[in-house]
Amino acid sequence: AQKVTQAQTEISVVEKEDVTLDCVYETRDTTYYLFWYKQPPSGELVFLIRRNSFDEQNEISGRYSWNFQKSTSSFNFTITASQVVDSAVYFCALSEAYGQNFVFGPGTRLSVLP
Amino acid sequence: SAVISQKPSRDICQRGTSLTIQCQVDSQVTMMFWYRQQPGQSLTLIATANQGSEATYESGFVIDKFPISRPNLTFSTLTVSNMSPEDSSIYLCSVEGFLATSKETQYFGPGTRLLVL
Repeated sequence: AQKVTQAQTEISVVEKEDVTLDCVYETRDTTYYLFWYKQPPSGELVFLIRRNSFDEQNEISGRYSWNFQKSTSSFNFTITASQVVDSAVYFCALSEAYGQNFVFGPGTRLSVLP
Repeated sequence: SAVISQKPSRDICQRGTSLTIQCQVDSQVTMMFWYRQQPGQSLTLIATANQGSEATYESGFVIDKFPISRPNLTFSTLTVSNMSPEDSSIYLCSVEGFLATSKETQYFGPGTRLLVL
């Protein structure tokens, strides 16, 4: 069975600090997809990234970067120079086939303090 | 970005009744998804609704309880049937696969907050 673990329930950092959110997954499939989503206090979900299991290249998008390591079954998310607007709950997710057998992690609540 | 609307935005329903939630997107999309998020919890995918085919349900969700329609490329409905208090949740519509562009971004609607008494 699939599983996504986000061991960090809550993280607090001070603005401008870098922060890494951990995501560890379990799956028996060789083809799968990994996702990160952001849910700010307003509640509306924001898609951040999707990565398939054959693409282990790290991704950088502005202050956001993702480190996918199949060897450790991890897909960690780093925010560089955090800002107050980054305060949100972040969910990591896994699906075996795109749009199917979708599993979300429990989420990590990030608070960025001014 | 896409504009996604959901109706109703919230509702309070009696046990045993059914509620149909509508999701409308301003562009044609191939894939529409329905999720559930219980208060303070993570999300769960209910089903994937592709136009022209039967919805694909995740484990633990069945068509009799959550019938879905996808009559065209911009609209879908999710019905929560024979509701019980355990169905109290936020129901979210999501879309991906815009025909007008090659963007692979997924967008979410604002959600429908359901309380079953």
